[in-house]
Amino acid sequence: GQQVMQIPQYQHVQEGEDFTTYCNSSTTLSNIQWYKQRPGGHPVFLIQLVKSGEVKKQKRLTFQFGEAKKNSSLHITATQTTDVGTYFCAGAGTALIFGKGTTLSVSS
Amino acid sequence: SAVISQKPSRDICQRGTSLTIQCQVDSQVTMMFWYRQQPGQSLTLIATANQGSEATYESGFVIDKFPISRPNLTFSTLTVSNMSPEDSSIYLCSVESGHEQYFGPGTRLTVT
Repeated sequence: GQQVMQIPQYQHVQEGEDFTTYCNSSTTLSNIQWYKQRPGGHPVFLIQLVKSGEVKKQKRLTFQFGEAKKNSSLHITATQTTDVGTYFCAGAGTALIFGKGTTLSVSS
Repeated sequence: SAVISQKPSRDICQRGTSLTIQCQVDSQVTMMFWYRQQPGQSLTLIATANQGSEATYESGFVIDKFPISRPNLTFSTLTVSNMSPEDSSIYLCSVESGHEQYFGPGTRLTVT
């Protein structure tokens, strides 16, 4: 069945460093979505990418969708302590399949 | 946007019993989704619930264990039946609105 892999599982950075999480699907996706979940909270929708090669930016966050629509990345520039949480990608094929998430911790 | 509420927010239940989780949305939506998130894990889709029809279950989930109701366009329930400790998890309902997916706050279930 459809699988969505996400790496790394954990990432610790110093405040001000950059952070990237990668997502790979076993099948071509109609779209990919990214979510952030703070500790004790529920997933919050960040963005959806639909087009092959699409790049979208939200302030310090840059999202990319691969040309083959099977991989994606989220890059955070100059991390802040408010960025801590788990970032999930979710690939839309026949159903929305979530990756295992990357948990980001930031020390000041 | 969509605002979702769930009841109860948490519960501790004995094995063999059943718990019904309610999900209320502040707008009418076609599909409602039920997910499970075990501690420290990702989200797994249990089923998709359309109003007026039977829910569609994902592989590994069956109606007898997780019966779902969808009586109208703003409300759904998920029942976790004949619970065992392995059912301890957070259960979240979710809706799609305007190409965005919104999640409820979740129901944290502990089965002893």
